[in-house]
Amino acid sequence: GQSLEQPSEVTAVEGAIVQINCTYQTSGFYGLSWYQQHDGGAPTFLSYNALDGLEETGRFSSFLSRSDSYGYLLLQELQMKDSASYFCAVRDRGGATNKLIFGTGTLLAVQP
Amino acid sequence: DVKVTQSSRYLVKRTGEKVFLECVQDMDHENMFWYRQDPGLGLRLIYFSYDVKMKEKGDIPEGYSVSREKKERFSLILESASTNQTSMYLCASSPGIAGSDTQYFGPGTRLTVL
Repeated sequence: GQSLEQPSEVTAVEGAIVQINCTYQTSGFYGLSWYQQHDGGAPTFLSYNALDGLEETGRFSSFLSRSDSYGYLLLQELQMKDSASYFCAVRDRGGATNKLIFGTGTLLAVQP
Repeated sequence: DVKVTQSSRYLVKRTGEKVFLECVQDMDHENMFWYRQDPGLGLRLIYFSYDVKMKEKGDIPEGYSVSREKKERFSLILESASTNQTSMYLCASSPGIAGSDTQYFGPGTRLTVL
């Protein structure tokens, strides 16, 4: 079967750093993405890793290790507005179809 | 900005009714997707379409069908709604570009089947 594992909940304080891990087991792998979803809102794209290593976008970074089938999202200088659910997603086929398999999501609670 | 709109934010239907959920995107994207989101289960793909009149089953297609007659519009149909189809339904679109993983989501339709 195909599965993505991520923690269900993470709690951190304002200004801190938090890491959300994602391990995957899929029939194909063409990239790992991260999406953010605020309560009542639509998921929005955060980052994409196709190759091993770290991608940085402002306070957010995403890491991928294809040999370990593992990635993480790193959020620095946490702010209250970062409280949301975060989903990892694997593209499981090549080409232009862009079909994704989503994890079950991690609820991040940022406390003052 | 990419805009994906869904016909209703909230919908209440009765068991056995035929339900249509409409999704429209304004960015000329080739790919469109329908997901349902339930607590603790994440986003599960129901159907997707990679071109007009082309469709492919996702992970949970049972009880659903889709229609894509025009590039900008992707409809999800519940032929005979059941209570276990009470859920949040999310539509998304993405360009047909190899290596691009960005999907753009609509605001969602919260469907309640009584």
